[in-house]
Amino acid sequence: GAGVSQSPSNKVTEKGKDVELRCDPISGHTALYWYRQSLGQGLEFLIYFQGNSAPDKSGLPSDRFSAERTGGSVSTLTIQRTQQEDSAVYLCASSLLTSGRNEQFFGPGTRLTVL
Amino acid sequence: DAKTTQPNSMESNEEEPVHLPCNHSTISGTDYIHWYRQLPSQGPEYVIHGLTSNVNNRMASLAIAEDRKSSTLILHRATLRDAAVYYCILRAKYYGNNRLAFGKGNQVVVIP
Repeated sequence: GAGVSQSPSNKVTEKGKDVELRCDPISGHTALYWYRQSLGQGLEFLIYFQGNSAPDKSGLPSDRFSAERTGGSVSTLTIQRTQQEDSAVYLCASSLLTSGRNEQFFGPGTRLTVL
Repeated sequence: DAKTTQPNSMESNEEEPVHLPCNHSTISGTDYIHWYRQLPSQGPEYVIHGLTSNVNNRMASLAIAEDRKSSTLILHRATLRDAAVYYCILRAKYYGNNRLAFGKGNQVVVIP
């Protein structure tokens, strides 16, 4: 079956430009997460959406970062006025919330390079 | 998020068992122990999780210490495809905090 998909797979941009990264979660998954992974590092939580609840934005590193999830499905992560330190792989995951397993299914990521 | 401690890296010979340790001395009674792994150039994938009892699935086994302050992921017979970064993560049992706090993980190298 279809997994989590992300687009674009690679994005090269110039410092100061805005970028939009897209995530298509697994159909029916109520929870959606964004993480980022800098070179050689573990994953850093950015934001979490669950149903119609207010998103948990506690991981967003600055107000240049924002995300929305339309119709409880597709999500877009927007980075305004990109900086070189924003270069990373941005990973999206979705899950069906259960009391225990809460397995998160990850997409392949978008590799963002800010020149 | 409660912290976990893992070795930075380990080597294993192909077709031998691999034991990946994880210390989580500050674990609370409601924290699940989750393991994910990340193959090269891919997103992480779920491996196994447990609360108190040892767990087995088709990918691995999870042995949890009686005091729950440590656990061990066991790959019964390492293959080259098991070369990955393995993350040990604690997740609270209640809704409302479902993010996963990934550390740097344990880079497992499988030697042919």
